Amino acid sequence: DTGVSQNPRHKITKRGQNVTFRCDPISEHNRLYWYRQTLGQGPEFLTYFQNEAQLEKSRLLSDRFSAERPKGSFSTLEIQRTEQGDSAMYLCASSYRGASSGANVLTFGAGSRLTVL
Amino acid sequence: GDSVTQMEGPVTLSEEAFLTINCTYTATGYPSLFWYVQYPGEGLQLLLKATKADDKGSNKGFEATYRKETTSFHLEKGSVQVSDSAVYFCALSGTNAGKSTFGDGTTLTVKP
Repeated sequence: DTGVSQNPRHKITKRGQNVTFRCDPISEHNRLYWYRQTLGQGPEFLTYFQNEAQLEKSRLLSDRFSAERPKGSFSTLEIQRTEQGDSAMYLCASSYRGASSGANVLTFGAGSRLTVL
Repeated sequence: GDSVTQMEGPVTLSEEAFLTINCTYTATGYPSLFWYVQYPGEGLQLLLKATKADDKGSNKGFEATYRKETTSFHLEKGSVQVSDSAVYFCALSGTNAGKSTFGDGTTLTVKP
């Protein structure tokens, strides 16, 4: 397994454009998480899926943000009408949760860096 | 809601010095606690974890003990190396093991 893969690694866009990021989790993992990280801050939770179901979405998440995981495998995060404040590193993580799972350990991808001009 | 507070950095130490990075948390119930590390140019990765009170997580010479009475999970290492230079994040996962909540990170620089 190659771990959690995120694409693109870098995206530069103009304000008002739409962007989409893709995350391919570890194949055995049924949970997928999106986080946002800005310089000097820790990862901020955005949303997560168990299989194809979106189980939680941050109340801080604007309606311009939407995430999907249509077949319970890869996921996309779309940001519509980007703003300069959206500039950040967008992190994807995955984990496996089962009936007898212990601590929910996240495996992170390298991230997708968004710069909005 | 859940929250994690970490000792502010940056922290600069000489090689072989003792390291402590403080972490306290606020959560309902019995969360699991984690330390993740981010080495320069790499993604976050798990360093160690503990799932219940008085558990000690350990890895690569680092240790942290889950203290429920003080709601703390301080990271320690007896003798740091230059290769330990990284950003360290304390995190918790709630009782229902949904989302994880992270602290703001502490940057450690170890000088030879």
